Amino acid sequence: EVQLLESGGGLIPPGGSLRLSCAASGFTFNSYGISWVRQAPGKGLEWVSSISGDGGITHYTDSVKGRFTISRDNSKNTVYLQMNSLRAEDTAVYHCTRRKASGQPFDYWGQGTLVIVSS
Amino acid sequence: DIQMTQSPSSVSASVGDRVTITCRASQGISSWLVWYQQKPGKAPQLLIYAASSLQGGVPSRFSGSGSGTDFTLTISSLQPEDFATYYCQQTYSFPLTFGGGTKVEIK
Repeated sequence: EVQLLESGGGLIPPGGSLRLSCAASGFTFNSYGISWVRQAPGKGLEWVSSISGDGGITHYTDSVKGRFTISRDNSKNTVYLQMNSLRAEDTAVYHCTRRKASGQPFDYWGQGTLVIVSS
Repeated sequence: DIQMTQSPSSVSASVGDRVTITCRASQGISSWLVWYQQKPGKAPQLLIYAASSLQGGVPSRFSGSGSGTDFTLTISSLQPEDFATYYCQQTYSFPLTFGGGTKVEIK
């Protein structure tokens, strides 16, 4: 059974840092790209970042470029999202998702981890 | 960036109704269009990919159509479990973008 389990969320003051983790199981991890998609309270879905199966290609939405870094450890079946210089507008549930290849849909999603940026 | 515009933002319907949701891309995306369903407090679930291909396990009352810039999600006969929010997403190019969502509510 495919599983994606996020962790690392919490309450953090503006300007702080947080590292989210996405632990995967039930599939050949390095064959899939992994992405982070966030959802602010009461709002819609926003793609944040993606990383290819081998970790060699990464993409970011403009609002997080230079502040967030996505990485993966294929020996641990885990993807990370290092979030620095956090802002109130980064408050959201962060979901990790997988997709097989470019153009393909996100076919499995984790339940998400809540990040609250507030003083 | 490709903007995705969904309409309506909400719709009230009864069980058994036919419901149609539209999604328009700001530029052509061929058939690189995905539909998701999200229920409160849950992660989104994949319904349709490549504009019209039904994901395994999704009931056949869901269908998708369109190509280029204009797309449609149709629920042929609304069931109680279909009351949810629906999102379209383009997978044509980065940044990957979602529509604003359509909430299907009970009439």
